[in-house]
Amino acid sequence: DGGITQSPKYLFRKEGQNVTLSCEQNLNHDAMYWYRQDPGQGLRLIYYSQIVNDFQKGDIAEGYSVSREKKESFPLTVTSAQKNPTAFYLCASRVAGNNQPQHFGDGTRLSIL
Amino acid sequence: RKEVEQDPGPFNVPEGATVAFNCTYSNSASQSFFWYRQDCRKEPKLLMSVYSSGNEDGRFTAQLNRASQYISLLIRDSKLSDSATYLCVAGRTGNQFYFGTGTSLTVIP
Repeated sequence: DGGITQSPKYLFRKEGQNVTLSCEQNLNHDAMYWYRQDPGQGLRLIYYSQIVNDFQKGDIAEGYSVSREKKESFPLTVTSAQKNPTAFYLCASRVAGNNQPQHFGDGTRLSIL
Repeated sequence: RKEVEQDPGPFNVPEGATVAFNCTYSNSASQSFFWYRQDCRKEPKLLMSVYSSGNEDGRFTAQLNRASQYISLLIRDSKLSDSATYLCVAGRTGNQFYFGTGTSLTVIP
């Protein structure tokens, strides 16, 4: 099946720990994105990447890091510097070009232990 | 000021009703527009893109008003399964997309 796969579905982080969220897509999409959604709030952009080996900060990049070594993979690391990491994390991808929509994975819920 | 603003609702409507949502965007450089549907604790799913001339997909109609910088979504003959949160999105060149906080719809039997 073609799609975007996020793992794990649920993740628990201890204080001072870095954790990595996986996002893989087999849609051959060029651009990939990470968003964070807090209860009752809209999606906020953390990082995005338009091509391999290149990525840009979004509005709330502090405390997060990413890599884009392969077209199909865009992992997100939540570092210990992110003091309020509890949220629903969504990965998206899209074909490059105007008017092309994003498609989302089914998300990872991260909580603090 | 937020990039994209929506009335959070909730909108509670009876089955079969027609309901409309509006969404305003603040940056005139926005070029692409979309409506997504998000069910509770799930990922957003694309409902429809919004084109300048307006577009329809079954019971759903989307409109764009560039002069007033708003987009709208009309749902006709509401079904129970339409109950969800509807997110509007405005995108600029450079791959930046801005999401509204969503409008909650509950269709009542």
